Amino acid sequence: QVHLVQSGAEVKKPGASVKVSCKASGYSFTTYAMHWVRQAPGQRLEWMGWINTGNGNTKYSQSFQGRFTITGDTSATTAYMELSSLTSEDTAVYYCARGRFMFQPLNVFDYWGQGTLVTVSP
Amino acid sequence: DIQMTQSPSTLSASVGDRVTLACRASQSISRWLAWYQQKPGKAPELLIYDASSLESGVPSRFSGSGSGTEFTLTISSLQPDDSATYYCQQYNNPLLTFGPGTKVDVK
Repeated sequence: QVHLVQSGAEVKKPGASVKVSCKASGYSFTTYAMHWVRQAPGQRLEWMGWINTGNGNTKYSQSFQGRFTITGDTSATTAYMELSSLTSEDTAVYYCARGRFMFQPLNVFDYWGQGTLVTVSP
Repeated sequence: DIQMTQSPSTLSASVGDRVTLACRASQSISRWLAWYQQKPGKAPELLIYDASSLESGVPSRFSGSGSGTEFTLTISSLQPDDSATYYCQQYNNPLLTFGPGTKVDVK
């Protein structure tokens, strides 16, 4: 059974960075891409980027380019996202989500983590 | 970027009703459209991909149709458990984008 379990809620000051983990189990970690999607309060889902867990290559939305990093630890079957230079507009629930079509860049998301609330507040 | 819109923004219907939700893309996305269901405080769940393919384990009362720029999600007989917000997502462009959602309330 596929499970994606994320780290707990975070409260950060403006200008800080946050790192969220996503532990995968129940499938071969290096066979499927891992994506990150966020949802600000009352807003639509926003895709942020993805990692090819097989070779570590990443692709990011230009909206986050330069301050967003996805990494993967294959031995721990865990993906990480780090977002820096936080502002109040980064307050959101952050989800990891598995790409259904393996490493295709044009993908949908068949399994999701439970979400991690990141609050940015002075 | 491909912009996604959905209508209506909210919908209220009774148990057993047939309901249809619409999703529109700002340019043709062929059949590269997915639908998700999200309940409050929960992660989204994939319902439909490739516009009309039902994800494994999803009840058969859900169906999708459309191509190009116009798509629909139909719930053939609305159930209490279907109270949720439904999002469409395009994957014709590597910048994956979602619609604003349709909130469905079951009376």
